[in-house]
Amino acid sequence: KAGVTQTPRYLIKTRGQQVTLSCSPISGHRSVSWYQQTPGQGLQFLFEYFSETQRNKGNFPGRFSGRQFSNSRSEMNVSTLELGDSALYLCASKGSLNTEAFFGQGTRLTVV
Amino acid sequence: DQQVKQNSPSLSVQEGRISILNCDYTNSMFDYFLWYKKYPAEGPTFLISISSIKDKNEDGRFTVFLNKSAKHLSLHIVPSQPGDSAVYFCAADLRTQGGSEKLVFGKGTKLTVNP
Repeated sequence: KAGVTQTPRYLIKTRGQQVTLSCSPISGHRSVSWYQQTPGQGLQFLFEYFSETQRNKGNFPGRFSGRQFSNSRSEMNVSTLELGDSALYLCASKGSLNTEAFFGQGTRLTVV
Repeated sequence: DQQVKQNSPSLSVQEGRISILNCDYTNSMFDYFLWYKKYPAEGPTFLISISSIKDKNEDGRFTVFLNKSAKHLSLHIVPSQPGDSAVYFCAADLRTQGGSEKLVFGKGTKLTVNP
């Protein structure tokens, strides 16, 4: 069974640009969550999607958005990039409410 | 406001000895706790979990202890092996019936097991 797949693995963008990251969950998993990992703040929850609906949202500005497709694949978008958005963005999928989240390898975003 | 705290950024132990990683939380509503292990350039890998109705869960060399009154949990690794060297994250979850949940993570403890 394939794991959680995130693309691209690495990305370099310029301040002010926008970026879209992609996540394919484990087959059959309908919940997809996104996390941001930075050295100073650790792993922070961005949002969670289930059946194409955002169920939960963390404390991030509106520049961070996401969506989920009918096949459970998810994308997150960051607009008007800032230097502080440089981070490892992790996607996790879950099969049901009371199971563990499985993480992808992440997308390393560098904003210059 | 950091709801999950791992106060030791790093820990170094000798191979074969016990590793004890600690985690404290402030929100008494958390009802499920997890430990993840992370190698550089990889995503976190689930290690072991415990429900708030238990005080201990064991899986091979890994045991998690939960002290609800102290809002404290710990991960014991016995015996420690060099391959255990990684960053360990403690996470807390609110598994409310019928609702969604998000993981709240500590900032991690880097474990180094020396041969």
